[in-house]
Amino acid sequence: QKEVEQDPGPLSVPEGAIVSLNCTYSNSAFQYFMWYRQYSRKGPELLMYTYSSGNKEDGRFTAQVDKSSKYISLFIRDSQPSDSATYLCAMSTNTGNQFYFGTGTSLTVIP
Amino acid sequence: KAGVTQTPRYLIKTRGQQVTLSCSPISGHRSVSWYQQTPGQGLQFLFEYFSETQRNKGNFPGRFSGRQFSNSRSEMNVSTLELGDSALYLCASSSNGGQFTDTQYFGPGTRLTVL
Repeated sequence: QKEVEQDPGPLSVPEGAIVSLNCTYSNSAFQYFMWYRQYSRKGPELLMYTYSSGNKEDGRFTAQVDKSSKYISLFIRDSQPSDSATYLCAMSTNTGNQFYFGTGTSLTVIP
Repeated sequence: KAGVTQTPRYLIKTRGQQVTLSCSPISGHRSVSWYQQTPGQGLQFLFEYFSETQRNKGNFPGRFSGRQFSNSRSEMNVSTLELGDSALYLCASSSNGGQFTDTQYFGPGTRLTVL
């Protein structure tokens, strides 16, 4: 079993929709949770990070962590065509500098 | 500030050959990590270097090796290439790498195709 599981999609939504992206994990030692966005032919770029359960909001993006269920989510409100990309979740423990990534979810926002 | 640069961007090799990939981190960053990205496995951690020393290593065979120079530039080498080594190889740099809150900045990657 992989330590981080992520539905690869693809996910296709109309412009303005609310998007929900999710990851589950098995290692209860994970303390630090991140979401990356990767455009085609580019490296991943950090969108958001959090290290506690609950919600963290940044503009149209909300990251949610439920450590009891080992489940994290990224919500995108008022989705835009420019949000079309692959979204990767990543996590690490608080002792190491090794990040564990999900396989990524491909998102297309249709104008 | 210039971002992480990787060379070459694309590479085609045949089975049995070896390849060397290069990564120049953001100026002032001392930690460089390497990842392999494939559609089925996603990003998998190869190794991390800090101040010319390998600090962490993922679960890859010994054919995958790396090094870091005194200017923090890093190289990754894959010997005796196999078809399954075809992937996007990503390099990420961070300032210290020792803190879990330390942000990693990724380069655009090197697309390796093994025929």
